[in-house]
Amino acid sequence: EAQVTQNPRYLITVTGKKLTVTCSQNMNHEYMSWYRQDPGLGLRQIYYSMNVEVTDKGDVPEGYKVSRKEKRNFPLILESPSPNQTSLYFCASLGFTEAFFGQGTRLTVV
Amino acid sequence: AQSVTQLDSQVPVFEEAPVELRCNYSSSVSVYLFWYVQYPNQGLQLLLKYLSGSTLVKGINGFEAEFNKSQTSFHLRKPSVHISDTAEYFCAVTQRQAGTALIFGKGTTLSVSS
Repeated sequence: EAQVTQNPRYLITVTGKKLTVTCSQNMNHEYMSWYRQDPGLGLRQIYYSMNVEVTDKGDVPEGYKVSRKEKRNFPLILESPSPNQTSLYFCASLGFTEAFFGQGTRLTVV
Repeated sequence: AQSVTQLDSQVPVFEEAPVELRCNYSSSVSVYLFWYVQYPNQGLQLLLKYLSGSTLVKGINGFEAEFNKSQTSFHLRKPSVHISDTAEYFCAVTQRQAGTALIFGKGTTLSVSS
């Protein structure tokens, strides 16, 4: 079964404490992406990766890092989270004609 | 660069009424178009997609959308909505080539009341 697994589903953290949200796909897709969803703003792309060791900034990359050391995994790293990064995050794995999404991570930074 | 505009941020309707959620896109190349639905406190689910062929696309839960190339639109319709259709709906576009981003509109909240 095609799947994108994202963890954790919920996370509350304090300002400045580094965290990582993991994302893994089992479809051998080359293209993966991270989005954040905020009310009234839709889904905005944070970073994307077109293949192993190839990553690039999306529309809202400030305060985030990513890595793509292997095709299946694409973690999102917040080195020093701030309250304005409180949001709902989605990882996506894109085939040629369809995107598959993780279940989302609701992050609260206090 | 591509962009997507969802023309209505909120659409309130009564149960069993028809509904249309509007989506316009801009792109200099051929595109694939999608509608996703997000029920409260859930992830994104694909409703339907247009890749090629017939411009009228049928999706799940009785929804359909029509691709209009001349008007660069991809409006979503349902002839009779249910309370359970209350959700947020996202239109999305990507170029017809591998390795391009999926760009989303800002979403339309459909609220169905009895």
